Amino acid sequence: EADIYQTPRYLVIGTGKKITLECSQTMGHDKMYWYQQDPGMELHLIHYSYGVNSTEKGDLSSESTVSRIRTEHFPLTLESARPSHTSQYLCASSEFTGGQEEKLFFGSGTQLSVL
Amino acid sequence: DAKTTQPTSMDCAEGRAANLPCNHSTISGNEYVYWYRQIHSQGPQYIIHGLKNNETNEMASLIITEDRKSSTLILPHATLRDTAVYYCNALSEGAQKLVFGQGTRLTINP
Repeated sequence: EADIYQTPRYLVIGTGKKITLECSQTMGHDKMYWYQQDPGMELHLIHYSYGVNSTEKGDLSSESTVSRIRTEHFPLTLESARPSHTSQYLCASSEFTGGQEEKLFFGSGTQLSVL
Repeated sequence: DAKTTQPTSMDCAEGRAANLPCNHSTISGNEYVYWYRQIHSQGPQYIIHGLKNNETNEMASLIITEDRKSSTLILPHATLRDTAVYYCNALSEGAQKLVFGQGTRLTINP
C-alpha cells in the first residue's frame, strides 16, 4: 500500500488569496495526479506528472498550477482563489504492476472552501 | 479506451454477496478491467483489476466473461463499510486515461 498524504484536510479562505495544497507520497512512485471533485459528482483529472520536472494538464481545464521538483512532492497552487474554486481536491500516485498495468493510490483529499 | 456501463445504484443485504456488473462490450484485447470504489468524502480506493482470467484478492473477486464484454465484481460477504460508489474502467494506457464516471452507488442494508 502506498502512503500518500494531503494537507490541509480542510481549508476555508477568502477570495483573492494565494493557496498551496500539499501532496506527498513515500513510496517513490514516479507518476502523480490531481483530481477535482464536487459533492456527488464525478472526479475530473486536472494535472498529472510522469516524474521530476514533468507536469501535464488533465482533461478538465483548471486555473491551478502544479510543480514537481522532487519525486515525493506534488503541490498544487492557486494564485488567486475564487468561490468557483470551492471543491474537493484529491491527489494520487501510481504503482506500475507490470506492462500496462497501473494502480492508483489516493490521498484523503483537501476540501477547499473559498468565501 | 472502451466505454463502460454500470447500473446507477444497487442494494444488498449485509452478509450477502454483492455482485456489481459492468458492461464493456467494445473492450479491446489489451485493455485491462479496473475496479475502484469511493467511500463518502474519501479518495477512491483500488480494488482489483484483470485482463481475461478471473482474479481474487483479499477485497473482492473479479469475474470476466469469456468474450470479455462484461465483468462482475463480487464482494463475497458485504458489510456496512462496503457502502460506496464503485467505478469500473477498461483501459490499456496510463492511469491518466482512467475515467471516474457515475459508477454504481452500492448500499449495504443491515
